[in-house]
Amino acid sequence: AQRVTQPEKLLSVFKGAPVELKCNYSYSGSPELFWYVQYSRQRLQLLLRHISRESIKGFTADLNKGETSFHLKKPFAQEEDSAMYYCALMGNAGNMLTFGGGTRLMVKP
Amino acid sequence: NAGVTQTPKFQVLKTGQSMTLQCAQDMNHNSMYWYRQDPGMGLRLIYYSASEGTTDKGEVPNGYNVSRLNKREFSLRLESAAPSQTSVYFCASSLTRQNTEAFFGQGTRLTVV
Repeated sequence: AQRVTQPEKLLSVFKGAPVELKCNYSYSGSPELFWYVQYSRQRLQLLLRHISRESIKGFTADLNKGETSFHLKKPFAQEEDSAMYYCALMGNAGNMLTFGGGTRLMVKP
Repeated sequence: NAGVTQTPKFQVLKTGQSMTLQCAQDMNHNSMYWYRQDPGMGLRLIYYSASEGTTDKGEVPNGYNVSRLNKREFSLRLESAAPSQTSVYFCASSLTRQNTEAFFGQGTRLTVV
């Protein structure tokens, strides 16, 4: 079975502060990990994927297989980062996408 | 490009009524998914379909049925709606391979009274 856990339901920071949204996973094989974001009144959309090792909108995430974690980080939060963030895992077969419970990020001015 | 289209956007049902949520994608994707989104629970997978003609249960399939009508369409049916099925439902699609992006519909807000 595959499982994704996001321990924080709400994270509130001030503009310019660092942000870390936690994600832990459980999977017996080699998973693909993603972060999706849902801005107010918009569709859920992909933010970044671990295999691309990319930085999107200043966000990065590193897959730590030893700790089975894929935390999302940004050094300086912006007000426009306020949104719902979901960590997701896709198994080896590439056909079952599982999401965590989500973390609402609020960036205060 | 339409992407993933869900209908209806809003629906109110009485307990015991039935309805079908429709989903269609125009991206030639193999995999399609139905999720429900509840406060504090995140997105939970109801059913998914890895290809035309196949469907599999997800985390919370009870009370639902699905049909992969063809490659484009994946419908979700509630045979006898219950208040516990009040939720926002999302359809998504992707290629059936790893490291692939899933595309989501705009959601259906369902209230069962």
